[in-house]
Amino acid sequence: DTAVSQTPKYLVTQMGNDKSIKCEQNLGHDTMYWYKQDSKKFLKIMFSYNNKELIINETVPNRFSPKSPDKAHLNLHINSLELGDSAVYFCASSQGGAALGSLTEAFFGQGTRLTVV
Amino acid sequence: AQKVTQAQTEISVVEKEDVTLDCVYETRDTTYYLFWYKQPPSGELVFLIRRNSFDEQNEISGRYSWNFQKSTSSFNFTITASQVVDSAVYFCALSEAEGTYKYIFGTGTRLKVLA
Repeated sequence: DTAVSQTPKYLVTQMGNDKSIKCEQNLGHDTMYWYKQDSKKFLKIMFSYNNKELIINETVPNRFSPKSPDKAHLNLHINSLELGDSAVYFCASSQGGAALGSLTEAFFGQGTRLTVV
Repeated sequence: AQKVTQAQTEISVVEKEDVTLDCVYETRDTTYYLFWYKQPPSGELVFLIRRNSFDEQNEISGRYSWNFQKSTSSFNFTITASQVVDSAVYFCALSEAEGTYKYIFGTGTRLKVLA
């Protein structure tokens, strides 16, 4: 039973298209994230949501729009895809926070490899 | 501002050698958490360890050990008697009270263990 699952695993699409990546966690966590990993393996946070509310938006172009219908889901929609959007996108979840004195590790999905041609 | 530095971009060792991966962090908070993750060639991110800022005890888990030193802001990771299966990219990460709801990752160290 996968803890954090994201679909699809691979996504190949043409420039200008719109695509979505779905993420679901069954851990009961209250915080979910989207991370982008580029070709040099840098992992950079894009968004974080806590209890369905957007907490962090790390200067991501507004072509990227996350949506959290409930605590267990955080989807990522990308409009007008560009070549530079090619990367691996990871969804993650966690519980608690450093400011709260208790924080779990981030549990990551398997990643979605997006290739824009 | 929070930052994680992994100065070693790539390390190659021969099987059975010991290897230490360095991690230096910056934070102004007194409450923070540190993590190590492994990313094998298959691409998933595998959690290895979590440590909070109030627990400076070193930890050993099988061939893995971690050395947390607040005085030098370091959280180093040692693999003893390395094996080919240890070949992966290893990431150190930080989450702090000021930056709650965010894990800041270092740039990773690629470890190659040669048979």
